[in-house]
Amino acid sequence: EVQLLESGGGLVQPGGSLRLSCAASGFTFSSYGMTWVRQAPGKGLEWVSTISGSGGNTYTADSVKGRFTISRDNSKNTVYLQMNSLRIEDTAVYFCAKRYGSSWYYSDCWGQGTLVTVSS
Amino acid sequence: QSALTQPASVSGSPGQSITISCTGTSSDVGAYYYVSWYQQHPGKAPKLMIYDVSKRPSGVSNRFSGSKSGNTASLTISGLQAEDEADYYCSSYTSSSTLLFGGGTKVTVL
Repeated sequence: EVQLLESGGGLVQPGGSLRLSCAASGFTFSSYGMTWVRQAPGKGLEWVSTISGSGGNTYTADSVKGRFTISRDNSKNTVYLQMNSLRIEDTAVYFCAKRYGSSWYYSDCWGQGTLVTVSS
Repeated sequence: QSALTQPASVSGSPGQSITISCTGTSSDVGAYYYVSWYQQHPGKAPKLMIYDVSKRPSGVSNRFSGSKSGNTASLTISGLQAEDEADYYCSSYTSSSTLLFGGGTKVTVL
């Protein structure tokens, strides 16, 4: 059974940093691209970033480019999201998701999310 | 980039069919057949319902179908059931090699 477990969320001040982790199990991790999607309280989904299975290719939304960095450690079956220079508008639940099929644009398995709150 | 445009809410009675629209531009929905739809129940993670405009992942009911015309994609739910009450989001690949979601549509079963 595929499982994705996010961690690392919490309360941080504006301008601060956090690193989110997503531990995966139940599939051949290195064969799948992984994606982070966020959802602000009461709002819709927003794609954040995607990384290929090898880690050699990454894609990032303009809203976080230069501040957020996605990475992965295939030996630990874990994908990360390093978030720097956090803003109040980054407050959201952050989901990690596994690629579906051969295209990185789709995700078929999602974690339950971790809440990031940016506030002074 | 602005989010894809979806109606805020759509409602229907059990057994009826409803359609949710998703309007983008010639740089996203209109340019590619890489449109997907997700269902999200309150407090839950999203679930992939449709990909490549009209394909269903294994296990998704055939009551869900997708289509596209020009810059607008659509999700149709036929034989509406109480369990279909949820938020629905469209998504599209873009010419900037990014992914764009719609603002979401709340489906209410009357």
